[in-house]
Amino acid sequence: EVQLVESGGGLVQPGGSLRLSCAASGFTFSIYTMNWVRQAPGKGLEWVSYISSSGSTMYYADSLKGRFTISRDNAKNSLYLQMNSLRAEDTAVYYCARVHSSGGTCFGYWGQGTPVTVSS
Amino acid sequence: AIQLTQSPSSLSASVGDRVTITCRASQGISSALAWYQQKPGKVPKLLIYDASNLESGVPSRFSGSGSGTDFTLTISSLQPEDFATYYCQQFNTYPPITFGQGTRLEIK
Repeated sequence: EVQLVESGGGLVQPGGSLRLSCAASGFTFSIYTMNWVRQAPGKGLEWVSYISSSGSTMYYADSLKGRFTISRDNAKNSLYLQMNSLRAEDTAVYYCARVHSSGGTCFGYWGQGTPVTVSS
Repeated sequence: AIQLTQSPSSLSASVGDRVTITCRASQGISSALAWYQQKPGKVPKLLIYDASNLESGVPSRFSGSGSGTDFTLTISSLQPEDFATYYCQQFNTYPPITFGQGTRLEIK
């Protein structure tokens, strides 16, 4: 059974940093592209970042302006999101998502999400 | 960036109704479109991928169609558990991967 378990969220002051983790199990992590998607309170889904299976290619939403860094450790079956210079508008539930087995970059599996609140 | 516009933004319907939600892309995306269902406080669930392929385990009353710029999600006979918010998502041209703004389906 595919499982994705996020951790690392919490309350942080504006300008602070957080590192989110996503522990994957139940599939061969190293062959799948992974993504982070977020959802602000009462709002829609917003794609945040993408990383290829090898970790060699990363993409980010323009709104992040270089503040976030995605990475992965295939030996540990783990995905990460380093978030710096956090702003109130980064407040959201952050989901890690695995791409579908069909090969397209849609999200077949989601974690339960970890909430991030940026507030003083 | 490719923009996705869903219509309607909200919809009231009754159990047993046939419902159609539309997603329009700002430029052609072939069939690289997915549909998700999200219930309050829950994780999004993939319903349809590649515009018309039903995800495993999803009831057959859900169907998707379209290609290019115009897509539809149809629920043939609404069930009580179908009341939720639905999102389309394109993955033809990225970054960025984009979602529609969502369609909230409510009980009439």
